[in-house]
Amino acid sequence: DGGITQSPKYLFRKEGQNVTLSCEQNLNHDAMYWYRQDPGQGLRLIYYSQIVNDFQKGDIAEGYSVSREKKESFPLTVTSAQKNPTAFYLCASSILRERNQPQHFGDGTRLSIL
Amino acid sequence: ILNVEQSPQSLHVQEGDSTNFTCSFPSSNFYALHWYRWETAKSPEALFVMTLNGDEKKKGRISATLNTKEGYSYLYIKGSQPEDSATYLCAFPGVMEYGNKLVFGAGTILRVKS
Repeated sequence: DGGITQSPKYLFRKEGQNVTLSCEQNLNHDAMYWYRQDPGQGLRLIYYSQIVNDFQKGDIAEGYSVSREKKESFPLTVTSAQKNPTAFYLCASSILRERNQPQHFGDGTRLSIL
Repeated sequence: ILNVEQSPQSLHVQEGDSTNFTCSFPSSNFYALHWYRWETAKSPEALFVMTLNGDEKKKGRISATLNTKEGYSYLYIKGSQPEDSATYLCAFPGVMEYGNKLVFGAGTILRVKS
């Protein structure tokens, strides 16, 4: 079955540590996204990528980095510069440049501070 | 800055009740309006993508209407069941500089008691 796989499901970060969240899709979608969810807020866009080796900052990119070396993969690194990383992170993908096509989501990763 | 508002924030209904909630979005430069259902411990799932003013879409007991001139969409659930308990998100495509960039509302949390 086609879909998006995020791992791990739960992740703990120590102070000063970088951690990487994995996102893999086999939907053959060109566009991939990372969102962050905090209680009582909508999903906020961190980074997005429309093509391999290209990505753009979203609304809350500070303290995060991404790479897009393969079409299927869009890992997100939460760096030590992100002072409030505790949140739920969702990865999504969609057909490129089609605003009337839905996004497909993974199951998410919950990141907490030790 | 795009603003997508959803109301109410949460809703508790009895099994068998019909219910509805609202998504408000900018009425200018409309292209599409997305509805997603997000059940606990699962990934968000697309319900509808609506593109035409006056459009009405239906999926089982769930239906949605769209008014692009006044900038709102209603989601209706007829005869709510406990399995309808979820967070319902609406999203509006942002400026399409790079790909399908969605701006999400904070969601309406629906709890259906049996």
